[in-house]
Amino acid sequence: EVQLVESGGGVVQPGGSLRLSCAASGFSFSDYWMHWVRQAPGTGLFCVSRINNDGRITNYADSVKGRFTISRDNAKNTLYLQMNSLRVEDTAVYYCIRGNRVGVIPAGFDFWGQGSPVAVSS
Amino acid sequence: DVQMTQSPSTLSASVGDRATITCRASQSIDSWVAWYQQKPGKAPKLLIYKASTLESGVPSRFSGSGSGTVFTLTISSLQPGDFATYYCQLYNFYPYTFGQGTKLEIK
Repeated sequence: EVQLVESGGGVVQPGGSLRLSCAASGFSFSDYWMHWVRQAPGTGLFCVSRINNDGRITNYADSVKGRFTISRDNAKNTLYLQMNSLRVEDTAVYYCIRGNRVGVIPAGFDFWGQGSPVAVSS
Repeated sequence: DVQMTQSPSTLSASVGDRATITCRASQSIDSWVAWYQQKPGKAPKLLIYKASTLESGVPSRFSGSGSGTVFTLTISSLQPGDFATYYCQLYNFYPYTFGQGTKLEIK
């Protein structure tokens, strides 16, 4: 059974830092792109960052570029999101997601973690 | 960036009804569209990818269609568990874009 379990969320003051972790199991972690998506309270979904299977390719939304860093440890089957210089508008539930694929063709997001709440407030 | 406009924002329907949700892209995106269902307090669930391919385990009353700029999600006969919020997603270029969501509520 595929499982993605996030941890590391919490309450932080503006300008502070948090590191989210996502422990993956039930699949060959090193074969998949992984993603972080966030959802602010009562609003829609927003792609934050993604990383390719070996960690060499990373992409970010403009609003987090230079502040957030995605990484992965394939030996530990774990995905990370280091969030620095946090702003009030970063408040959201952060989801760790496996990128679905059919062969090498992307096919949406097929498995999601339960979400890790992050609240940025003074 | 390509924008996705999803409509309606709210849809009221009854069990057994047919429901249709539409997403319009600001430019042609081939068929790189996925659809998700989200229930309160839960993570979204993948229903459809590549515009019309049903994800494994998803009931056949869900279907997707479209290509280019207009895409639709249809639920042929609503069941009680289908009342939720639905999102389309464009996934051709990163950052992938989600529609604003459609809340499907019981009439």
